[in-house]
Amino acid sequence: DAGVTQSPTHLIKTRGQQVTLRCSPISGHKSVSWYQQVLGQGPQFIFQYYEKEERGRGNFPDRFSARQFPNYSSELNVNALLLGDSALYLCASSPDGPGGLTDTQYFGPGTRLTVL
Amino acid sequence: AQSVTQPDIHITVSEGASLELRCNYSYGATPYLFWYVQSPGQGLQLLLKYFSGDTLVQGIKGFEAEFKRSQSSFNLRKPSVHWSDAAEYFCAFNTGGFKTIFGAGTRLFVKA
Repeated sequence: DAGVTQSPTHLIKTRGQQVTLRCSPISGHKSVSWYQQVLGQGPQFIFQYYEKEERGRGNFPDRFSARQFPNYSSELNVNALLLGDSALYLCASSPDGPGGLTDTQYFGPGTRLTVL
Repeated sequence: AQSVTQPDIHITVSEGASLELRCNYSYGATPYLFWYVQSPGQGLQLLLKYFSGDTLVQGIKGFEAEFKRSQSSFNLRKPSVHWSDAAEYFCAFNTGGFKTIFGAGTRLFVKA
């Protein structure tokens, strides 16, 4: 079975630009979460979507937004990029939503974003 | 505040030696606990998880972890390390909601 896939693998942008990252969950998984991992740190939670609705949001500015499509794939958008947005962006999928019995998340390989 | 502490930024062990990576969490109840491994340029792979029951949890690749409620700890162990275990290890917890909280990670180096 295919795991979580993310595209693109790498991305280089300049300050002020906008970026869209994409994630396809494991087949049958309805929940997608996004994390930001800055070099040398652990992943930081950005969003969780379940059944196309936002179910949770971390401490990130409104420049960060996301959505989930009917096929459960998801996009993360970041506007007005800052140098500090340079990071590995990880997508994770899980079968259930918040509070579900199966809270294990399966991670994709990530998108490496570099902001110059 | 809810948090995860991994006290060791990096650890070096000899191949064949035993390994213990430390993890402490701060939360008012017993959370769901996880250990993930991340190889360079890769995403996170789940090694093991603790939800309830037996406090000694077996995972993949020969890893195990022990939950100690009194110490708010969930340390990861392996009796004999292989060179391929060199990676970064993250302890994490979830309180049953939408957010998983990760520690800062411990980088494991394995010397021949």
